[in-house]
Amino acid sequence: EAQVTQNPRYLITVTGKKLTVTCSQNMNHEYMSWYRQDPGLGLRQIYYSMNVEVTDKGDVPEGYKVSRKEKRNFPLILESPSPNQTSLYFCASSYSGRGGELFFGEGSRLTVL
Amino acid sequence: KNEVEQSPQNLTAQEGEFITINCSYSVGISALHWLQQHPGGGIVSLFMLSSGKKKHGRLIATINIQEKHSSLHITASHPRDSAVYICAVRGNTDKLIFGTGTRLQVFP
Repeated sequence: EAQVTQNPRYLITVTGKKLTVTCSQNMNHEYMSWYRQDPGLGLRQIYYSMNVEVTDKGDVPEGYKVSRKEKRNFPLILESPSPNQTSLYFCASSYSGRGGELFFGEGSRLTVL
Repeated sequence: KNEVEQSPQNLTAQEGEFITINCSYSVGISALHWLQQHPGGGIVSLFMLSSGKKKHGRLIATINIQEKHSSLHITASHPRDSAVYICAVRGNTDKLIFGTGTRLQVFP
């Protein structure tokens, strides 16, 4: 079954404690990206990757890091989380950066105390 | 002004009504996506458009590139169509820009 898998789905953590949200897709997609969704602000792109070892900033990259060492995985790293990073996070993938249906993970709800 | 504007922000309808949600954008695009998000749920892709019109069941999506406008239509609406519908455009820089969504409630 074609899917994008995110983990963890729910996480409560404290300020400054490094965490990683994993994202994996099984469709051999080139394009992967991370978004956060906040009430009243909608979805905003954090980082995206056009292919292995190719990443670029979205609209809200501050406080986040990503890496794309393998085609299937695109982890989101919060080196020193802060309360303003409390949000609902989605990972998505598509066949290519210029086209293709978007497939979303189920979302990861992160709370930073 | 947002680069992607959706209207209306909220919409209520009676079951069976024809529904239209609009999306206008101000940037050059390579593709436009319509997404659906149910309450507490994940996000599902409904359509990807770069020109013309697409139909899937009771859903129809159109795009006018010259006017920078897209519409999502739902025919014979049903309570299970209640969700947030989100328009997103893929700009020429490959970033995705999202509208803030249209919350649809369909009552029996």
